[in-house]
Amino acid sequence: AQSVTQLDSQVPVFEEAPVELRCNYSSSVSVYLFWYVQYPNQGLQLLLKYLSGSTLVKGINGFEAEFNKSQTSFHLRKPSVHISDTAEYFCAGRGISSGSARQLTFGSGTQLTVLP
Amino acid sequence: NAGVTQTPKFQVLKTGQSMTLQCAQDMNHNSMYWYRQDPGMGLRLIYYSASEGTTDKGEVPNGYNVSRLNKREFSLRLESAAPSQTSVYFCASTILAGGSLAGELFFGEGSRLTVL
Repeated sequence: AQSVTQLDSQVPVFEEAPVELRCNYSSSVSVYLFWYVQYPNQGLQLLLKYLSGSTLVKGINGFEAEFNKSQTSFHLRKPSVHISDTAEYFCAGRGISSGSARQLTFGSGTQLTVLP
Repeated sequence: NAGVTQTPKFQVLKTGQSMTLQCAQDMNHNSMYWYRQDPGMGLRLIYYSASEGTTDKGEVPNGYNVSRLNKREFSLRLESAAPSQTSVYFCASTILAGGSLAGELFFGEGSRLTVL
């Protein structure tokens, strides 16, 4: 079964510093991978997604992620964060085989706090 | 441009009471989902509807029922609420039929339910 692990529950970082939020997935089949962001008291919105092709995926708000099949990772990065990036970030994955593995599985989330 | 609308936004119930969470989307999406979000556990799928007229269980369906009333609306019912159902509930939708392997999920703003 598809599973998604976010290795850090909380990441504090100073404004204008770089950040990496880590995500690993487990699957014996091909997968689609996503990063969603949740601002306080709001629903989730899509940051970026990897379906196929180039392993470096660029998203909104200056975020990017790199798909690494050999390490089964899909880490999210931003070279310089802003206070407004403070939010919870969710990695999610979906297997593309048949059956229940087709449903989207979310990681437990990483709270990014940007400090002034 | 409403997107996905959930009602109510807040609700307090006593153990054993019943209630229905309503969800409507105005994007002509085929697939709709109900998730619950609990601290440290990410989002877990309760039920989904891949297309109008069909519903299927997700990861945590016990204690819940759903109705896909029409293409726009997908409701979640708690027949006899329990304290373990205290959570934030999110409705989501996506455009493609069959669960949409690659499509983006659009989320409502959430319904915060407390069961005493």
